[in-house]
Amino acid sequence: DTGVSQDPRHKITKRGQNVTFRCDPISEHNRLYWYRQTLGQGPEFLTYFQNEAQLEKSRLLSDRFSAERPKGSFSTLEIQRTEQGDSAMYLCASRPQTDEQFFGPGTRLTVL
Amino acid sequence: LAKTTQPISMDSYEGQEVNITCSHNNIATNDYITWYQQFPSQGPRFIIQGYKTKVTNEVASLFIPADRKSSTLSLPRVSLSDTAVYYCLVGDIRDSSYKLIFGSGTRLLVRP
Repeated sequence: DTGVSQDPRHKITKRGQNVTFRCDPISEHNRLYWYRQTLGQGPEFLTYFQNEAQLEKSRLLSDRFSAERPKGSFSTLEIQRTEQGDSAMYLCASRPQTDEQFFGPGTRLTVL
Repeated sequence: LAKTTQPISMDSYEGQEVNITCSHNNIATNDYITWYQQFPSQGPRFIIQGYKTKVTNEVASLFIPADRKSSTLSLPRVSLSDTAVYYCLVGDIRDSSYKLIFGSGTRLLVRP
């Protein structure tokens, strides 16, 4: 257990539905990242927060994706109108000033 | 960010030393080399990080030659529980927005 928690751990949804994932980072970490990982591949960067500010977004983050970190603590990642191609493991990581990233266990999304 | 190349897979036996080499020909002056380990259905976990020469911690050693164009992760006396995917990454860890760029990793299988 790294201290980073994610909820839910698994989510099955039907195509076209909206889903929201939550990440609770290590409390003193001001940097928070979201990654997506598909089977057999390494994680891919989605977006980055420093405190409550979203400072970088990948081109992978289409208009259907939105992430927030309203109080600089927990973060949510929402996917609207899910597609089968969104099926993946969504990983959250937090990081202190300059150090390694600590990953949560991930949320596995299956879109039917 | 520098691209890395590492073997797709490796096999070993319990008790052996395993060396996984990573090539990063275009590594930048400010880049550090970091290795992560990932078990199925879990987020990646930091193993070791270095800039040059040799770094050792309680789980692994990292060897970096003078030209820094490659690095070798050394796992002493592996056990079955070391079966995992190992990722080599390079990047400027002092960059406040430093995001991890994963390749496909090396799948290590440790046999009894």
